[in-house]
Amino acid sequence: DVVMTQTPVSLPVSLGGQASISCRSSQSLVHSNGNTYLHWYLQKPGQSPQLLIYRVSNRFSGVPDRFSGSGSGTDFTLKISRVEPEDLGDYYCLQSTHFPRTFGGGTKLELK
Amino acid sequence: EVKLVESGGGLVQPGRSLKLSCAASGFNFNDYWMGWVRQAPGKGLEWIGEINKDSSTINYTPSLKDKFTISRDNAQNTLYLQMSKLGSEDTAIYYCARSLGADYWGQGVMVTVSS
Repeated sequence: DVVMTQTPVSLPVSLGGQASISCRSSQSLVHSNGNTYLHWYLQKPGQSPQLLIYRVSNRFSGVPDRFSGSGSGTDFTLKISRVEPEDLGDYYCLQSTHFPRTFGGGTKLELK
Repeated sequence: EVKLVESGGGLVQPGRSLKLSCAASGFNFNDYWMGWVRQAPGKGLEWIGEINKDSSTINYTPSLKDKFTISRDNAQNTLYLQMSKLGSEDTAIYYCARSLGADYWGQGVMVTVSS
């Protein structure tokens, strides 16, 4: 299985500040079709996860441009600029290049 | 509006079976792979498996393969998860999700395995 290592586990931030979350995979996430299937989700307390970024760097419908994704191969980053209260919660990366699909362990974004 | 609504959860005794449903609306169900994900209390997300548009391909996370069966009824726009020989380790919120990129999720249904 592809192991997704997400860091940090906890990320204290100030409102208006910036946050960066890393997701590293144990093998390349480049599919044989050339696409990289690495996605980012936010799970707010008591809610279902919601898709933020798909295929590394594409913002999902309605996601503010404060969220950006980057990376390639085995190393990926989610950046959140100008953190707002509604950004707090648990962030997960998911790889769907390889089977079985695997999630990162999660990063809790909380107020400093 | 895309909507996924899970049902069928609840309290079940160890060793018993349970079948979850996921009713889909707001999109052409026939056009999408669908998946199931679970989350144990206070833990992270775990992908259970997925099914393609016409049910000809069904994949399971290998460690869970003997416990779960995924199916779908395109005429009813419904996804299913049959769970068998349940143990306390299967206590979790179970989510259905659309597509392999999990772009839309249901609200989840709680399954508690306890005597």
